[in-house]
Amino acid sequence: DTGVSQDPRHKITKRGQNVTFRCDPISEHNRLYWYRQTLGQGPEFLTYFQNEAQLEKSRLLSDRFSAERPKGSFSTLEIQRTEQGDSAMYLCASSQTGGYGYTFGSGTRLTVV
Amino acid sequence: LAKTTQPISMDSYEGQEVNITCSHNNIATNDYITWYQQFPSQGPRFIIQGYKTKVTNEVASLFIPADRKSSTLSLPRVSLSDTAVYYCLLDSWGKLQFGAGTQVVVTP
Repeated sequence: DTGVSQDPRHKITKRGQNVTFRCDPISEHNRLYWYRQTLGQGPEFLTYFQNEAQLEKSRLLSDRFSAERPKGSFSTLEIQRTEQGDSAMYLCASSQTGGYGYTFGSGTRLTVV
Repeated sequence: LAKTTQPISMDSYEGQEVNITCSHNNIATNDYITWYQQFPSQGPRFIIQGYKTKVTNEVASLFIPADRKSSTLSLPRVSLSDTAVYYCLLDSWGKLQFGAGTQVVVTP
């Protein structure tokens, strides 16, 4: 297992377009998290899944954001009608319930022009 | 709001020990104290976690007093590659709440 994989690493899109990011967690981890990080700030929690169930969503996750984790494996984060304020690093992490620490991916850097 | 408070930045020279203290006055009984390291353009990396007293691993030590209202991450003999942002968080097996972290800069 090579850890948490995120795809793409970089995405440049025009304002108003939809984008989708993918996260592949560590296979035996049942929890998956999405965070957003802007320059100079710590990561901000967006949402998390336990298996396929989405257990919590942040108020930061507006109606334009949606996340899924079908079959409790990989997850996708979609942003509709992107805005310049959506430009950020989107980080995915996974963990095992009762386990030790979270493993983060390298993130997807989104630039909205 | 983050539940922890830590210095914004710290400078050190190579070979020195770096100690970062974090305050968490409202720590809950089921919270574990966890530290992560982050390099530019990478995701945070787990360093160490503890509940009370002292924990040591191959990269760091974590000192937690009996009241658990603060903790100190100790990085022994830092090198240039330890230049990074270090985050102190409380983990109760749910989501992690990051603050702005401590930017540690190691110079020759």
